[in-house]
Amino acid sequence: DQQVKQNSPSLSVQEGRISILNCDYTNSMFDYFLWYKKYPAEGPTFLISISSIKDKNEDGRFTVFLNKSAKHLSLHIVPSQPGDSAVYFCAALNSGGYQKVTFGTGTKLQVIP
Amino acid sequence: SAVISQKPSRDICQRGTSLTIQCQVDSQVTMMFWYRQQPGQSLTLIATANQGSEATYESGFVIDKFPISRPNLTFSTLTVSNMSPEDSSIYLCSVDADGYTFGSGTRLTVV
Repeated sequence: DQQVKQNSPSLSVQEGRISILNCDYTNSMFDYFLWYKKYPAEGPTFLISISSIKDKNEDGRFTVFLNKSAKHLSLHIVPSQPGDSAVYFCAALNSGGYQKVTFGTGTKLQVIP
Repeated sequence: SAVISQKPSRDICQRGTSLTIQCQVDSQVTMMFWYRQQPGQSLTLIATANQGSEATYESGFVIDKFPISRPNLTFSTLTVSNMSPEDSSIYLCSVDADGYTFGSGTRLTVV
């Protein structure tokens, strides 16, 4: 049972344009969401998070949007840069519960110069 | 932010042997986690390492196969026992700091 889903395994975007990575979840107990970037041969690097009390969080070029009613979140990267090329994982947890982080399957982003 | 040192970074092991992976954090943390990422898959939580008590294992993972130690608040080990080729994965430790920081991972190949 995949509770966190990233339906696009890959995405290609031109440098300077917007990258939009999507994530859906099924567990209504999730109230904290995280995005990670992962390069080959490295561990995931935390990018940005959002609590369910918000619908938007912004950090530089990265913005995460949360639509609780649709159980959907998205990561926007503007402008996209070649160094952003990596696999992006969406993750979720119930902050008041066991603290188990559940990961999506990842989206491989390629930013074309 | 917390800095995690994970060793070894990679290893090639014979089936039937065991490998112990070490995870050292530069600050005291309450919770340490061990994950597995099989080829082409997402990260799956193996267990939560608790200081001073037994680890808490997720469904599908057992202590005999993946014994874990947590002797203090900055260190943990994961052992992959009696390895088979199906254990070939990346193993990662993580701590509950700064958005759940991850180590760089251990790429294990079992031949």
